[in-house]
Amino acid sequence: KQEVTQIPAALSVPEGENLVLNCSFTDSAIYNLQWFRQDPGKGLTSLLLIQSSQREQTSGRLNASLDKSSGRSTLYIAASQPGDSATYLCALDTGKLIFGQGTTLQVKP
Amino acid sequence: DGGITQSPKYLFRKEGQNVTLSCEQNLNHDAMYWYRQDPGQGLRLIYYSQIVNDFQKGDIAEGYSVSREKKESFPLTVTSAQKNPTAFYLCASSQITGLNTEAFFGQGTRLTVV
Repeated sequence: KQEVTQIPAALSVPEGENLVLNCSFTDSAIYNLQWFRQDPGKGLTSLLLIQSSQREQTSGRLNASLDKSSGRSTLYIAASQPGDSATYLCALDTGKLIFGQGTTLQVKP
Repeated sequence: DGGITQSPKYLFRKEGQNVTLSCEQNLNHDAMYWYRQDPGQGLRLIYYSQIVNDFQKGDIAEGYSVSREKKESFPLTVTSAQKNPTAFYLCASSQITGLNTEAFFGQGTRLTVV
C-alpha cells in the first residue's frame, strides 16, 4: 500500500528565508506527483505537477523535484513571503490521488 | 469560467438524514474524486470515478454513495449510516491520459451534523 509522508508537519520561518518541504513515498510506481497549497477553510490550489518521467518543475519562486528511486520529492520556496503562509500538500497519482498529511507553513513578517 | 463547482458551501444535517453534496466540472475531465478532510488532517479518499457510469470505493467509502450519470457531475450522498459525517468535503477532477493530468479542486462543502 502506498504511503505518503510529509516532514515537517509545521514550519515557521522569518520572511525572506529559502525553505524546503519534503514528501516521501513508499512505492515508486506513480504516474505523477503534484504539490498543492491550501488556505484555511478553502479548497486546494495546484502549484506544480511533475510527470513520472520528469525530475523537476519550476514556477516563479517555487521549484519541485522528484526522485522516484529514493521515493522523495521536495518543494523549494525561494525568498519566502507572509503570503506563502498556508498548508502545503503533496499527492501521488497512482490511478487515484493519495495525499500526505501536509506541512503547515508560517512566514513571519 | 472553467473549473469545478461544489455546492452548497455550508450544509447542516440532522442526525438520521441523508444529504447530497453537488460537484460539477466543465473541464471535460474523465476522472472525478471525493475526499474528506478532518481538522488538522490530510485528505482521505471516499470514492472516485474514471468514466461515466463507473466508480470505485476509496479508503473510507462506508456510509457514502455516489453516482456518475454524466461526465460533468459526480454527486456524493452522505447517508445516515455514516456515523461521524461532520467534516470538510472536497471534490476534484483530472484528465487520466495525455500530457496534462493535473488535478483541480473545488472550494469544498463544510457539513455539520446538528
